[in-house]
Amino acid sequence: EDKVVQSPLSLVVHEGDTVTLNCSYEVTNFRSLLWYKQEKKAPTFLFMLTSSGIEKKSGRLSSILDKKELFSILNITATQTGDSAVYLCAVDLPTSGGSNYKLTFGKGTLLTVNP
Amino acid sequence: SQTIHQWPATLVQPVGSPLSLECTVEGTSNPNLYWYRQAAGRGLQLLFYSVGIGQISSEVPQNLSASRPQDRQFILSSKKLLLSDSGFYLCAWRQGYNSPLHFGNGTRLTVT
Repeated sequence: EDKVVQSPLSLVVHEGDTVTLNCSYEVTNFRSLLWYKQEKKAPTFLFMLTSSGIEKKSGRLSSILDKKELFSILNITATQTGDSAVYLCAVDLPTSGGSNYKLTFGKGTLLTVNP
Repeated sequence: SQTIHQWPATLVQPVGSPLSLECTVEGTSNPNLYWYRQAAGRGLQLLFYSVGIGQISSEVPQNLSASRPQDRQFILSSKKLLLSDSGFYLCAWRQGYNSPLHFGNGTRLTVT
């Protein structure tokens, strides 16, 4: 059973559009939620969210967390072709032993921005 | 600043051959270290993690193993590769749990 669910799985937009990517999670003892961008190679870190209602912003990208409703959104405004990538959401979940935490990733959203 | 090195970048190995992937982190001490695999599609599957030298936890039973012989070195191994071991292997580190995970450039393994 997936604990981190992203939607949509894929999205095609035109340059200049605004997109909203969703990530919902199921976890007790929430610690943090992270967003990554993955192009051809390794994922690169975008944001880490630990508190509810506080927006993190970097240029055209922003993200917010709702701890009560257990979800986060990633917004990209004025999209560019360079934004085309897989966007991954990850949440710290307790390990099977319960004494450590591991980042568990969703399946990602494939964003394609057409010129 | 901290950097993570992972090699090789690509690898083609026959079924039944051994495997050794190495990862080292510079610029930090006592990091948490991780091996993930990304098969066709996009999911990142955690294989192993380590919170200290000699401490290895396995998340998925399989024919792979991991070792941490030094504080900033993490090695993924197999004695006999299977076709299903093909994938994109990523080493990663973080400094404690409430900090971002940083990835190496990955190794694309093809088992033929």
